[in-house]
Amino acid sequence: DAGVTQSPTHLIKTRGQQVTLRCSPKSGHDTVSWYQQALGQGPQFIFQYYEEEERQRGNFPDRFSGHQFPNYSSELNVNALLLGDSALYLCASSLPALYEQYFGPGTRLTVT
Amino acid sequence: AQSVSQHNHHVILSEAASLELGCNYSYGGTVNLFWYVQYPGQHLQLLLKYFSGDPLVKGIKGFEAEFIKSKFSFNLRKPSVQWSDTAEYFCAVRDDKIIFGKGTRLHILP
Repeated sequence: DAGVTQSPTHLIKTRGQQVTLRCSPKSGHDTVSWYQQALGQGPQFIFQYYEEEERQRGNFPDRFSGHQFPNYSSELNVNALLLGDSALYLCASSLPALYEQYFGPGTRLTVT
Repeated sequence: AQSVSQHNHHVILSEAASLELGCNYSYGGTVNLFWYVQYPGQHLQLLLKYFSGDPLVKGIKGFEAEFIKSKFSFNLRKPSVQWSDTAEYFCAVRDDKIIFGKGTRLHILP
């Protein structure tokens, strides 16, 4: 049973560029949440996708957007990258009713 | 807005010592509470959760947590820690979304 997978594992981008991160949920899960974890901090909720729609959103600007595909996989897009966007981006999947989330290994984004 | 406070940022213990990590959330109502652990080089994984019922919750690897509604607390405990418990521990609360604390880095001395 495959767990949550994320790609790429590491990424280096320049300020102002755009980035797309990808997530495949655990088998059987239909809900995907994205988190940003800055160094020394806990994960911060970005948004959650269910049935291909954004259902909830945390306190992140519109530069952060996402998408969920019919196979439940998801993308996180960040436009106009800032140095402060450097962080570990975590994807978590779940079933809506259970709210027990399974996390992927994360994508480490460095913005220079 | 809901917030989560973890009292200790870094804890160092010797093997066989007892552990208690504090966690408080900011307001009541119906909340779900979680403790996650991140072992070095591994994913975040769920240790235990509280949704309702018995406020004393048992999780994996001998960990337990007690939900005290009057204190808005959900402290994590383990009677006797092992070197393999060295990890970062995160408390989290869900009302409409999941909010994590900043984490406690636990280092167990062999």
